[in-house]
Amino acid sequence: NAGVMQNPRHLVRRRGQEARLRCSPMKGHSHVYWYRQLPEEGLKFMVYLQKENIIDESGMPKERFSAEFPKEGPSILRIQQVVRGDSAAYFCASSGGGYQPQHFGDGTRLSIL
Amino acid sequence: DQQVKQNSPSLSVQEGRISILNCDYTNSMFDYFLWYKKYPAEGPTFLISISSIKDKNEDGRFTVFLNKSAKHLSLHIVPSQPGDSAVYFCAASASTPNTPLVFGKGTRLSVIA
Repeated sequence: NAGVMQNPRHLVRRRGQEARLRCSPMKGHSHVYWYRQLPEEGLKFMVYLQKENIIDESGMPKERFSAEFPKEGPSILRIQQVVRGDSAAYFCASSGGGYQPQHFGDGTRLSIL
Repeated sequence: DQQVKQNSPSLSVQEGRISILNCDYTNSMFDYFLWYKKYPAEGPTFLISISSIKDKNEDGRFTVFLNKSAKHLSLHIVPSQPGDSAVYFCAASASTPNTPLVFGKGTRLSVIA
């Protein structure tokens, strides 16, 4: 499967724990985007990364959230000290750059108990 | 403030007829528009795109029309098939390549056999 791979598909955490969401882009893609979708809402941009660089994090909450895309390995979205309001579907997308369309993974559904 | 609006939360169409999904935007900087289709528990799948230098783009049963003066675009599906039943998201981005997408809230299309 050469598509965008996200894991885990489902993640359950208790309030105060940490959540780590992983995303492996499509082969040949070096641009990674993270989006969050709340119920009955559209996808909201969080952060855009290229290898080892955060390009745009204007959609990411200033506290508790961080993202990285290391030289080797998948992109990671980390949420520290999770709260109930963090419950959502988190989608990763990748593109080859320019005006090429973004292709999405199947998301991680995060539930906070 | 929603920059991309899909004012119809749902639409029902008979199989074989035309489905028309509408999208309005407010940001004059948007010049690249995409439609995505989403099934439950899956990520959005890219369908078709259009840049602002065109007013129409066609791909098989799918055609996107862009009216820049009205800041309006529409997706036509003809003929509609039961497998087209899904949530359709309109997305837009500004003129700089690689910019994040801004999504509407989606329209749920039901194609009735």
